[in-house]
Amino acid sequence: DAGVTQSPTHLIKTRGQHVTLRCSPISGHKSVSWYQQVLGQGPQFIFQYYEKEERGRGNFPDRFSARQFPNYSSELNVNALLLGDSALYLCASSSPTLTGGMGDGELFFGEGSRLTVL
Amino acid sequence: DQQVKQNSPSLSVQEGRISILNCDYTNSMFDYFLWYKKYPAEGPTFLISISSIKDKNEDGRFTVFLNKSAKHLSLHIVPSQPGDSAVYFCAARIRSGNTPLVFGKGTRLSVIA
Repeated sequence: DAGVTQSPTHLIKTRGQHVTLRCSPISGHKSVSWYQQVLGQGPQFIFQYYEKEERGRGNFPDRFSARQFPNYSSELNVNALLLGDSALYLCASSSPTLTGGMGDGELFFGEGSRLTVL
Repeated sequence: DQQVKQNSPSLSVQEGRISILNCDYTNSMFDYFLWYKKYPAEGPTFLISISSIKDKNEDGRFTVFLNKSAKHLSLHIVPSQPGDSAVYFCAARIRSGNTPLVFGKGTRLSVIA
């Protein structure tokens, strides 16, 4: 069975540009979460989507946005890139409770998209 | 304000010995704790979890201990194997509601043959 897939795996952008990262969850998983992992730090929560609705948002500026599509895949968009946005962006899918809560839903992570901003 | 702390950035252990990775948390509302393992160029993979109603959970060579009064948990790996060399992240969540996982900074474990 395919796990969580992310694209692209690596990309380089310059300051001020925009980036779109994509994620396909595990088949049957309806929830997608995005995390940012800066070098030397643990993953930090950016967004959670369930059934195409935003269910949670971390402490990130409005330059960060996301959406979930009817097939449960997701995109993370970052506008006006800054050097500090350089990080590994991780997507995770889960099979949450019927009401969309995370519950005990274990997160299954993709390999990540490594973004370098020059 | 780090709610989940892994104070040891790295740990080296000889093959066959016990590895003990520690994690402290500050939010007393956390009631579900997980350990994830991450190899280079891969995403974190789930290892083991424990609910706050328990103080120990075991899965093969991996055991997690929870001390709620001290807000401390630890992961024991016995015996350690070279393939266990990876970064280990402690994570915590408030199970009710819709709160995300909060991760520590990770501990890099090196198991030396």
